[in-house]
Amino acid sequence: AAGVIQSPRHLIKEKRETATLKCYPIPRHDTVYWYQQGPGQDPQFLISFYEKMQSDKGSIPDRFSAQQFSDYHSELNMSSLELGDSALYFCASSLGQRNSPLHFGNGTRLTVT
Amino acid sequence: AQKVTQAQTEISVVEKEDVTLDCVYETRDTTYYLFWYKQPPSGELVFLIRRNSFDEQNEISGRYSWNFQKSTSSFNFTITASQVVDSAVYFCALSRGQGGSEKLVFGKGTKLTVNP
Repeated sequence: AAGVIQSPRHLIKEKRETATLKCYPIPRHDTVYWYQQGPGQDPQFLISFYEKMQSDKGSIPDRFSAQQFSDYHSELNMSSLELGDSALYFCASSLGQRNSPLHFGNGTRLTVT
Repeated sequence: AQKVTQAQTEISVVEKEDVTLDCVYETRDTTYYLFWYKQPPSGELVFLIRRNSFDEQNEISGRYSWNFQKSTSSFNFTITASQVVDSAVYFCALSRGQGGSEKLVFGKGTKLTVNP
């Protein structure tokens, strides 16, 4: 079965650079979520989109922005990167109106040097 | 506010032992969902189970079983006859039962090490 696809798998950036993470949800899933997991931490909710509209917002820094496109894929844009942004970034998708469980991608490991 | 507590930070067992991972949650919602995810060393989050607040039946799936007790706000996870491949961090999570956004609140995770 098709899963959530995230790209890239690994990304190395320097401080103050920008990064863009991409997420391709499971086909027919209309809701996308972004989570950030710092080293040794639990995943923290950043933001979600349902039918291309922002549906919920968590602890996402103002330096980050995200959107969901017409084909339901989503991108997380991160600017002015800081060392503390180094983390595993997960995207998850679900069928929003059916309370279906979240299925996570394999994550993008971002390292800021 | 929603909160999930996994009091066991790390557990170490020997292969074939049974092990129970504890999860206690707090929520004011009457409708909610509870989850368990497995995160192996490779880093991905693997969905194990979802249980809604109206379904208190225990569930068994192979060597895995889950005990949901609303009276104690607990959703414990037992692995029977553990194997080395079960070594991972296990997260318990909670979400509201709302369509359109199923934001998860995770516990801090329990790192399980199964030794041969």
